Amino acid sequence: NAGVMQNPRHLVRRRGQEARLRCSPMKGHSHVYWYRQLPEEGLKFMVYLQKENIIDESGMPKERFSAEFPKEGPSILRIQQVVRGDSAAYFCASSFPGATNEKLFFGSGTQLSVL
Amino acid sequence: DAKTTQPPSMDCAEGRAANLPCNHSTISGNEYVYWYRQIHSQGPQYIIHGLKNNETNEMASLIITEDRKSSTLILPHATLRDTAVYYCIVRVGGAGGTSYGKLTFGQGTILTVHP
Repeated sequence: NAGVMQNPRHLVRRRGQEARLRCSPMKGHSHVYWYRQLPEEGLKFMVYLQKENIIDESGMPKERFSAEFPKEGPSILRIQQVVRGDSAAYFCASSFPGATNEKLFFGSGTQLSVL
Repeated sequence: DAKTTQPPSMDCAEGRAANLPCNHSTISGNEYVYWYRQIHSQGPQYIIHGLKNNETNEMASLIITEDRKSSTLILPHATLRDTAVYYCIVRVGGAGGTSYGKLTFGQGTILTVHP
């Protein structure tokens, strides 16, 4: 049973380019979460999605960031016009719907570097 | 979710028990204690969680005080691979709760296991 898969593992972009980060949840999981970890800082919640729905995006920056989790395919975190401050590790997590005590299973992350 | 307090760092000798404390004096009756860890450059990994009874699984034991204001994570026989940042998180349990998988990570405890 494959775990949460994130790709790419490392992504390098120049300022002004777009970054697309992909996350495939564990089999049977329909809840996806994105977290960001800035250098030397803790993990911060960004967004919570279920299939075709954004449930909570309270941690998403107001501009340039968007997320989706389509009916088919992986969840995508999209960052438009990247800036150096977007350089961070981005982690995706998934969970099983309806679990009494929801445990999150995290992927290995995508390390985004903006030049 | 209740705030937690953890020591910034701890050391442990390989093969010995590692006891990681966590204070959560403002915990509410419906809040659970969760422990995750993050090994360098990897995504967080769920370890264990509990409400008020002590819990044990293949990874660790969780001891929660009777008043629930503090808890201790015990790694019975620490190995070098247990070197990581350990996060104690308190959150409302139960599916559909407002906090679902939105975890608030603090600074955690950096556990270093040495030979």
